[in-house]
Amino acid sequence: ETGVTQTPRHLVMGMTNKKSLKCEQHLGHNAMYWYKQSAKKPLELMFVYNFKEQTENNSVPSRFSPECPNSSHLFLHLHTLQPEDSALYLCASSQDRAGGYEQYFGPGTRLTVT
Amino acid sequence: GEDVEQSLFLSVREGDSSVINCTYTDSSSTYLYWYKQEPGAGLQLLTYIFSNMDMKQDQRLTVLLNKKDKHLSLRIADTQTGDSAIYFCAESKARSQGNLIFGKGTKLSVKP
Repeated sequence: ETGVTQTPRHLVMGMTNKKSLKCEQHLGHNAMYWYKQSAKKPLELMFVYNFKEQTENNSVPSRFSPECPNSSHLFLHLHTLQPEDSALYLCASSQDRAGGYEQYFGPGTRLTVT
Repeated sequence: GEDVEQSLFLSVREGDSSVINCTYTDSSSTYLYWYKQEPGAGLQLLTYIFSNMDMKQDQRLTVLLNKKDKHLSLRIADTQTGDSAIYFCAESKARSQGNLIFGKGTKLSVKP
């Protein structure tokens, strides 16, 4: 595998379910990101991890819980979601969180909350 | 208003030049980026420009930056059907380096 991979690619879950999204980067990067892409809205940064430490949480509801066990893996644990949480969730990584470093994106997980 | 604004749609004919425009509000932005998103895929960085530059050219792509007007443009020469995608402008704010602020994206349609 190369680049940034995300699993699953598609996920349908009920509001009472618990599920997790997985992201893996094979680029030797130190920073990883979760973004939410909704229709007709700008891409929203959710979380930033740098060297496994969370450095940014953009007022994301607690029903989204990130986990970064090492620099190559990033998870987003989901529970008690709302229909408005349906979106494309994109993971990205970069060499460092400093500006100017290219962010490489995964293909995303298309989440539908019923 | 939004931090980064773009028109939502652009339609051009194959072989013509495409110009996608973007305005941003934060004069302290250090880097400005253009990303491309094809259907069913993640975002791919096309090019970026540092705020002390006013132009950058890379093969068919030309980026122009007017820092005074906070205006960024992406010109694609000899546009091909494979260029059909959504193009996102993004800025990296100096006070929060590495965190990209994206526009809503411009959907480019290339007609044969």
